[in-house]
Amino acid sequence: AQRVTQPEKLLSVFKGAPVELKCNYSYSGSPELFWYVQYSRQRLQLLLRHISRESIKGFTADLNKGETSFHLKKPFAQEEDSAMYYCALSSGSARQLTFGSGTQLTVLP
Amino acid sequence: SAVISQKPSRDICQRGTSLTIQCQVDSQVTMMFWYRQQPGQSLTLIATANQGSEATYESGFVIDKFPISRPNLTFSTLTVSNMSPEDSSIYLCSVPVGKYGYTFGSGTRLTVV
Repeated sequence: AQRVTQPEKLLSVFKGAPVELKCNYSYSGSPELFWYVQYSRQRLQLLLRHISRESIKGFTADLNKGETSFHLKKPFAQEEDSAMYYCALSSGSARQLTFGSGTQLTVLP
Repeated sequence: SAVISQKPSRDICQRGTSLTIQCQVDSQVTMMFWYRQQPGQSLTLIATANQGSEATYESGFVIDKFPISRPNLTFSTLTVSNMSPEDSSIYLCSVPVGKYGYTFGSGTRLTVV
């Protein structure tokens, strides 16, 4: 069975500091991995996906198959980055998403 | 990408009653997913709704409790039946977008009293 683990429920950093949100997964096939973000009072939205290897709002995430990780990183956090972040995995043709438990990021001024 | 209109946005319901949540998509989609997000928890998939066939339920969720309709490729409903306080959650629908993406409805915040 597939599983996504986000070990940190809460994470606080100061503005301008680097931030890393951890995500580990368990899946026997080739996973498709995503980071979703939910800002206060807004709907869940896609931040980035590993398949496109893009950088969105300064965030990047590299899929490490050896460590089964997909950590989200940003070199200089901004206050507007404060939100709930979910790592998610999609498997095969079923297209269902399995979510991690989420990390609430707070960027302090 | 697809836009989903989900309603109601919130409701407070008496235990023992039922609530039907609707999701309308602005384009035709084959699959639609229903998730539950209990307080302080992550999103858990309830079922996958396919047009023209019965929904596929995940372990722990049954059709009698969460009946789903999918009358066409742009619309689906999820009913939370015979509600109890434990059903208080946010319920979301989601559809695949493109080859790899997904978009979500704004959610229905349900409180059962």
